[in-house]
Amino acid sequence: GDSVTQMEGPVTLSEEAFLTINCTYTATGYPSLFWYVQYPGEGLQLLLKATKADDKGSNKGFEATYRKETTSFHLEKGSVQVSDSAVYFCALRDRNQAGTALIFGKGTTLSVSS
Amino acid sequence: EAGVVQSPRYKIIEKKQPVAFWCNPISGHNTLYWYRQNLGQGPELLIRYENEEAVDDSQLPKDRFSAERLKGVDSTLKIQPAELGDSAVYLCASSRTGNVDNEQFFGPGTRLTVL
Repeated sequence: GDSVTQMEGPVTLSEEAFLTINCTYTATGYPSLFWYVQYPGEGLQLLLKATKADDKGSNKGFEATYRKETTSFHLEKGSVQVSDSAVYFCALRDRNQAGTALIFGKGTTLSVSS
Repeated sequence: EAGVVQSPRYKIIEKKQPVAFWCNPISGHNTLYWYRQNLGQGPELLIRYENEEAVDDSQLPKDRFSAERLKGVDSTLKIQPAELGDSAVYLCASSRTGNVDNEQFFGPGTRLTVL
């Protein structure tokens, strides 16, 4: 079945450092791809998404590009802040039918220090 | 617009006891999901509703788990009896129906601890 693999954490960075969190997927079709973020004590929030190959999702300085040839959707940010400390989840969803559930990776914990 | 509401936020029970979780989705969202998130893992689907119909319950352990969404709005997820391995965060999410790109909105979750 479809699955998502993301890099193990935790990732520890200093403020203003460059961030990359790797995510690869396995899917029978052409899914939509997502990054969700879970801040301490809060629920899951959609960070960004891409619905087709070569699309770039972006939000709050984060970016990810849908790469069909490498089945990847790596999350990047040029300069992280302490407030970016959270758990990040890569996810996919089948586009063949509306309403299908998300399939998540295991999550990567990011800790940013000042 | 109010978000997805879940209660309780935390629940601690002894094993073999029953427990129930409640979810109120965003108004107008006909699709409702229950996910379970084990410690250190991503959420996994338990059941999906379209209005009051359960359209995907293939991952729901039906020997001890049950769910209902009688009027197509609020939903309840029940475990009876609870086991130690059921300790997890139970997440409810909702979305509008009909478009593959409709966003899923998540509630804060119920953290269940089974002792």
